[in-house]
Amino acid sequence: GAGVSQSPSNKVTEKGKDVELRCDPISGHTALYWYRQSLGQGLEFLIYFQGNSAPDKSGLPSDRFSAERTGGSVSTLTIQRTQQEDSAVYLCASSRGTGDTEAFFGQGTRLTVV
Amino acid sequence: AQKVTQAQTEISVVEKEDVTLDCVYETRDTTYYLFWYKQPPSGELVFLIRRNSFDEQNEISGRYSWNFQKSTSSFNFTITASQVVDSAVYFCALSEARRGYSTLTFGKGTMLLVSP
Repeated sequence: GAGVSQSPSNKVTEKGKDVELRCDPISGHTALYWYRQSLGQGLEFLIYFQGNSAPDKSGLPSDRFSAERTGGSVSTLTIQRTQQEDSAVYLCASSRGTGDTEAFFGQGTRLTVV
Repeated sequence: AQKVTQAQTEISVVEKEDVTLDCVYETRDTTYYLFWYKQPPSGELVFLIRRNSFDEQNEISGRYSWNFQKSTSSFNFTITASQVVDSAVYFCALSEARRGYSTLTFGKGTMLLVSP
């Protein structure tokens, strides 16, 4: 596609429920990143994919967070048993590949846990 | 550890004023990249510039200019003759060779408000 696409754009969920956030990167981009933007913490790196593998998961805040990428394209970020502190904007980015530092960002998914 | 500091939380200017956004970084790598991104109210992060650690030449692009000084670990961003459309949050970021340049460490951002 023309840009990085994320869905849904907004998600309200009840505390304790699981949520899935989707990212569709730019066609041909092999690297995909998830970031979280929250009022208190700013923009934080969560996880990075090169193809279908995730060499860097260092930013995932707890084992309630997981992500997968299949077919080297679409990625899903899953948050289990959501907590109120998970409320944030989740941003996805993609780039052509390892070492290509120009990452293009999607518009994000605003998650609100009530 | 890597760190990016944007000391200015919010700046307000009147249209046509010049404004400089400060960015100071910390890294143990000798090879790294520095970035500026703009986040307008729509929420999408828009890439503005990338600079590698070996290139200290200042850069100008229209009303935008960047001053990279390794001696002070700073990468400041100046908007000349600001316009209302420049109102946004601006983020400075760093990526490092030891992490394969694969991840960005962001500053907390500076909100720029340009009033008519």
